[in-house]
Amino acid sequence: SQKIEQNSEALNIQEGKTATLTCNYTNYSPAYLQWYRQDPGRGPVFLLLIRENEKEKRKERLKVTFDTTLKQSLFHITASQPADSATYLCALTLDSSYKLIFGSGTRLLVRP
Amino acid sequence: AAGVIQSPRHLIKEKRETATLKCYPIPRHDTVYWYQQGPGQDPQFLISFYEKMQSDKGSIPDRFSAQQFSDYHSELNMSSLELGDSALYFCASSLDSSSGNEQFFGPGTRLTVL
Repeated sequence: SQKIEQNSEALNIQEGKTATLTCNYTNYSPAYLQWYRQDPGRGPVFLLLIRENEKEKRKERLKVTFDTTLKQSLFHITASQPADSATYLCALTLDSSYKLIFGSGTRLLVRP
Repeated sequence: AAGVIQSPRHLIKEKRETATLKCYPIPRHDTVYWYQQGPGQDPQFLISFYEKMQSDKGSIPDRFSAQQFSDYHSELNMSSLELGDSALYFCASSLDSSSGNEQFFGPGTRLTVL
């Protein structure tokens, strides 16, 4: 069966540390993998996109890696801040369709 | 910068009633998507439109229909509402020609069915 798995348990880290979130997928061949941030009761906000032929992408304090052999993406937030506390969703896009297929999300808590 | 606008923001309906949700995409965006997010769940794709034509269909019940109008706004029509339809409904828009198709989400409509 097709699955997108993210850590269901909240990730609790100290301010200033690097947060690393994992997204694993099964039986998909995504053209793109995207990461979104979602705050409670609000719409997802686009953060980063990485293509199937890219290994790594960076944007300010954010870094995404994409390993199509392992079928895994890692999302890093360096120098984390309490304001980074939110749920982070990974989403796949297939070549045949532009719809987003979301993982279940990981809640990140950054302690001051 | 202009964002995706959704209305209403909150809607309370009784079972078996109908509801209409509206979405106004970011100017010049030609593609609109609808997603449903139940409590504690991830967003689930319902349906999408590109240039006023349905482009993809997901797990949308037959009781729901949607369309995109000439001004690119979209409406999601929901009939014979059930308790299980209570959820956040998000609209997102994108520019089809953009590489990668990042989507910009609206604030959502919270539908409560009593």
